[in-house]
Amino acid sequence: GAGVSQSPRYKVAKRGQDVALRCDPISGHVSLFWYQQALGQGPEFLTYFQNEAQLDKSGLPSDRFFAERPEGSVSTLKIQRTQQEDSAVYLCASSLGWGAGEMYFGPGTRLTVT
Amino acid sequence: AQTVTQSQPEMSVQEAETVTLSCTYDTSESDYYLFWYKQPPSRQMILVIRQEAYKQQNATENRFSVNFQKAAKSFSLKISDSQLGDAAMYFCAYRVSGGGADGLTFGKGTHLIIQP
Repeated sequence: GAGVSQSPRYKVAKRGQDVALRCDPISGHVSLFWYQQALGQGPEFLTYFQNEAQLDKSGLPSDRFFAERPEGSVSTLKIQRTQQEDSAVYLCASSLGWGAGEMYFGPGTRLTVT
Repeated sequence: AQTVTQSQPEMSVQEAETVTLSCTYDTSESDYYLFWYKQPPSRQMILVIRQEAYKQQNATENRFSVNFQKAAKSFSLKISDSQLGDAAMYFCAYRVSGGGADGLTFGKGTHLIIQP
């Protein structure tokens, strides 16, 4: 496809379950970002990949959050032992290079933890 | 740390009128980029306009223009001839220049309502 895709679009998890959220960036895009957007708030940075290297994970809220991009394309954000405060929309964005090249966002995954 | 502040949680404008959304930011950097993003209910974040801090000329994109005041650290968005399709959340965002590992810092957003 031409844009960034994310799956699933919606995920309901019971507290304590593990979840995996997938991001397919635009082909050839080097940079990939994950953001967390709580209800009524702006997105907040979680982590950044340049190809397969995770260069910044300072925004991950706890060690229950883990992200990977093993082949430098598709990325997965994993949340272990989900808590209610993890409920949010998780946005993925990619850009061709680094610097301030335009970021293209996916539609997000809405995670609800019950 | 950089911060972005949008002081208007909600704005309403009549169709075909002009509306201005406010944004201020705080940074110690001299070289950076500023953006306005639109997020409709579909959640797809769409870039509306961007401004490089080293450029004095205000960016424009069709009906969208900005008023960039670097000394005041202000970056407002003007939407002219408002259309029903402009209704969305609007986020102001900042990114330091040249630092690829730095993501965007967003404000909390302004909900724009277009009255027909």
